[in-house]
Amino acid sequence: YDLLQPPSVSVSPGQTATINCSGDNLGDKFISWYQQKAGQSPLLVFYGDHGRPSAIPERFSASTSGNTATLTIRETQALDEADYYCQAWDAAGLFGGGTKLTVL
Amino acid sequence: QVQLVESGGGVVHPGKSLRLSCVVSGFTFSRYDMHWVRQAPGKGLEWVAIISSDGTNQLYADAVRGRYTISRDNSQNTLFLQMNGLRFDDTAVYYCARDATGYAYRYYFDFWGPGTVVTVSP
Repeated sequence: YDLLQPPSVSVSPGQTATINCSGDNLGDKFISWYQQKAGQSPLLVFYGDHGRPSAIPERFSASTSGNTATLTIRETQALDEADYYCQAWDAAGLFGGGTKLTVL
Repeated sequence: QVQLVESGGGVVHPGKSLRLSCVVSGFTFSRYDMHWVRQAPGKGLEWVAIISSDGTNQLYADAVRGRYTISRDNSQNTLFLQMNGLRFDDTAVYYCARDATGYAYRYYFDFWGPGTVVTVSP
């Protein structure tokens, strides 16, 4: 089972960034999203349909429809620039290949 | 506050062994399933193994099954990863991560350590 993410996404400051993650029957799975800045450990930014850790801004949200999960970052800022990974479980832990978000 | 700190990484030759540790604090370790996740240089995240909160159940990624063993000492708040038969493609940063739910098929990782580097080199 594979989770597919685009290698890169670019967005202008203040605009909305969307990062997709696709996989068979993804709507049946529990999806989580992680942010990893250069040289740092991954950080959980969203889980399931409604879960946002308390330290994560409300600008971050996620949804799943059909075979695609989407992380949405509104009002994107330079500090949001990072690699983002989707994650699910299918008899073993699964990560998408990661998407490099560039804010320019 | 929740803290996880890995140690035990280093440079080893192919075929050799290494034992990683992850000492945790700030939460009741014995109540949580725990994971190891790794990241090869310049690559994405790869899940490695999970152990149940009481240590009785383990599950491994295909790439490491039969070579790696995950274990824990709840009295010492410590998670371990014994790595045998190391190969070049085991070179990675190894992270320990706390499982948020303990529910199969809803596993995800709410806290991560800073990682420890394992390099397999001739």
